[in-house]
Amino acid sequence: EVQLVESGGGLVQPGGSLRLSCVASGFSLDSYSMNWVRQAPGKGLEWVSYITRSSSTIYYADSVKGRFTISRDNAKNSLSLQMNSLRAEDTAVYYCARDRGLLSMDVWGQGTTVTVSS
Amino acid sequence: QSVLTQPPSVSAAPGQKVTISCSGSSSNIGNNYVSWYQQLPGTAPKLLVYDNNKRPSGIPDRFSGSKSGTSATLGITGLQTGDEADYYCGTWDTSLSAVVFGGGTKLTVL
Repeated sequence: EVQLVESGGGLVQPGGSLRLSCVASGFSLDSYSMNWVRQAPGKGLEWVSYITRSSSTIYYADSVKGRFTISRDNAKNSLSLQMNSLRAEDTAVYYCARDRGLLSMDVWGQGTTVTVSS
Repeated sequence: QSVLTQPPSVSAAPGQKVTISCSGSSSNIGNNYVSWYQQLPGTAPKLLVYDNNKRPSGIPDRFSGSKSGTSATLGITGLQTGDEADYYCGTWDTSLSAVVFGGGTKLTVL
C-alpha cells in the first residue's frame, strides 16, 4: 500500500525548533518530488515547501522562508522539515504530500500537529 | 486572503449537480495546470482532479474539472451525502514561485 506517515509534531514555545519527518512506504521516494502543506485550525490549506527528486530545486512559501528547511534522504525513503524560530502562526497540522507531476499532490500523509504556544 | 478565489460555501440536494469556481490570474491558473482536492471532515486532503480535467484512478466520473482562461471549475453530479466536504483548488503561481490554494469551499448536501 502506498503510504506516507508523518511524525515529530508537538508543543513548542515561540522561538523554538522542531523537526518533522515523513516516511514513505509502498513506493520509492526518489521517483517523486515532495511537498509539505499545512492547515491551521479551522483554516484552509497552505503550501509550505517543495523539493525535487534530487533536491536540486527547492521552493518555500514566503511565510516560512529563512526559518524552515526541507530536505530528503532517498536512501531512507524519508522527507524532513526543520522548523526554526517558530511562531504562534505556525500552529497547524502539517502534511507531507507526494507530487505526481506539475505540482498536483496525489498521496498525502495523515498529518502531524504542531502547536506553538508558551 | 488567498491568491485563488473560491466561494465559501455551496449547497444542493442529493442527486443534483453543483459547480465550484476557482478564480485566479495569468500568473497562476492562466498559465498552469489546476488540481482539485476533497477534504472530508477530520481527514487529509484527497486529489480529485489534476491537469485541469484528469481524474486519478478510483475517482468516479461524477467529478469533473474544466478550465477557461484564468478560472477553473469543479463539477459534481449525482450528489451524495458522502460528498459533504471542503473542496480546494490549487496550482503553481509563476510570479510567486509557489503553490497556491484557494480558500476552500464547503459543500453541503441538503
